[in-house]
Order: sequence, then C-alpha cells, then structure tokens
Amino acid sequence: DAKTTQPTSMDCAEGRAANLPCNHSTISGNEYVYWYRQIHSQGPQYIIHGLKNNETNEMASLIITEDRKSSTLILPHATLRDTAVYYCIVRDTGTASKLTFGTGTRLQVTL
Amino acid sequence: SQTIHQWPATLVQPVGSPLSLECTVEGTSNPNLYWYRQAAGRGLQLLFYSVGIGQISSEVPQNLSASRPQDRQFILSSKKLLLSDSGFYLCAWRRRPGNGRDTQYFGPGTRLTVL
Repeated sequence: DAKTTQPTSMDCAEGRAANLPCNHSTISGNEYVYWYRQIHSQGPQYIIHGLKNNETNEMASLIITEDRKSSTLILPHATLRDTAVYYCIVRDTGTASKLTFGTGTRLQVTL
Repeated sequence: SQTIHQWPATLVQPVGSPLSLECTVEGTSNPNLYWYRQAAGRGLQLLFYSVGIGQISSEVPQNLSASRPQDRQFILSSKKLLLSDSGFYLCAWRRRPGNGRDTQYFGPGTRLTVL
C-alpha cells in the first residue's frame, strides 16, 4: 500500500475553511484516496474519497493534484464539532481492501 | 440501511483472563469484516479481516484470534489477556463484491482495559 504523510496537528478558527494536506507520492494508478475522521472515543467516520477528479459532498471537498501525489481535504466552514483526528488513506484495491491508518492530523477548531 | 453493532462498549479484565468481543452487521449480506485495535494515543492497526464465513486473515502476530461463525458475525477472542492487549477495538464492514469506491464503515468500538 502507498504510504501517506500528514502534518501532526493544525488549528482552524470556527467558520473558516480548514485545509488539510496529505502527501501520497507512491500512489499507484488504481488506488483511491480516502479520508476518515475520528472524534475522541468514537469509531472512524468516513468523509470522502476520490481517484483523479476533485470530489465534493455534504461534508467536505477533496482536491487531488493532477499527478495524484498529494491531496487536500477542505472543510468549508469548520465548526467546533469538526475537532477530530483526520486520516488520509490510500486504499488497497485487492479483495480484502484493507485500510492502513497512519497517525493522521489532529485538527483543533477554536472560537 | 446497514448498521454495525459491537459489544460490550467497555470492558475491564484481569491479566490472564479470556476475552470475547462480538461484532454484528445488519442490512447487508456477505460483507468483508475487519477488526482494528487502537492503543492509547496511537493510530488504528488492522488485526484481522474476513472475506467470508470461516475465512480469517491475520495481519500481525499476537495474542488474539478471530472467528466468523456466521455471515454477519465477527468475534475477537483471546485465551489469556496480556496488559498489552488494552486498547480500543473497532469492527468495520465493507460491501462485497465491491470495487475501489466501496468504503469501510466502523462500529462504535469496545474499550478494553487489562489490569
């Protein structure tokens, strides 16, 4: 599986956009980029995923560079409830489709 | 809609005691099932996965075992717990057959403390 690199922590003011970067320079052509988040003491929550094109849903937007070596998760209007650890994962597309979690980015949203 | 259940939510066990954690999924058939562990302050580590009844793959050598006696039931066990088995145990499922777009959905987790 391709590995990912994320900053350890980030801060964001409530109401502002939170931009969380992720590097995945060894990604292969058929591997998807997934984002999950984990609020303290809960199971990870799926946010969004993409292959090549930018994606948007009700939670966030995912911007993937043209060479696919990096991506950015954007929370357009961060709230205090978005405080969590955010994981960027490049997913194995084999039968088992395992997720390999790194240490993620701890996002702290402040007033 | 699909739901995933885990129990118990919390568990405190003495060293050397047995363990059985259960995970069940509703609303889907023949899912892939996964067990993860998260030690305090650490990321998630995949322990086992299963692509079908009785089919278990282990990711790391450890003191734990997994079984899948029914299509939507996944059990994590140990004969004798170690202190290092403490952690937050998460079960997840994924639709199968799937493709690169299918995602995993996680249960609420079981927090295990071994004393």
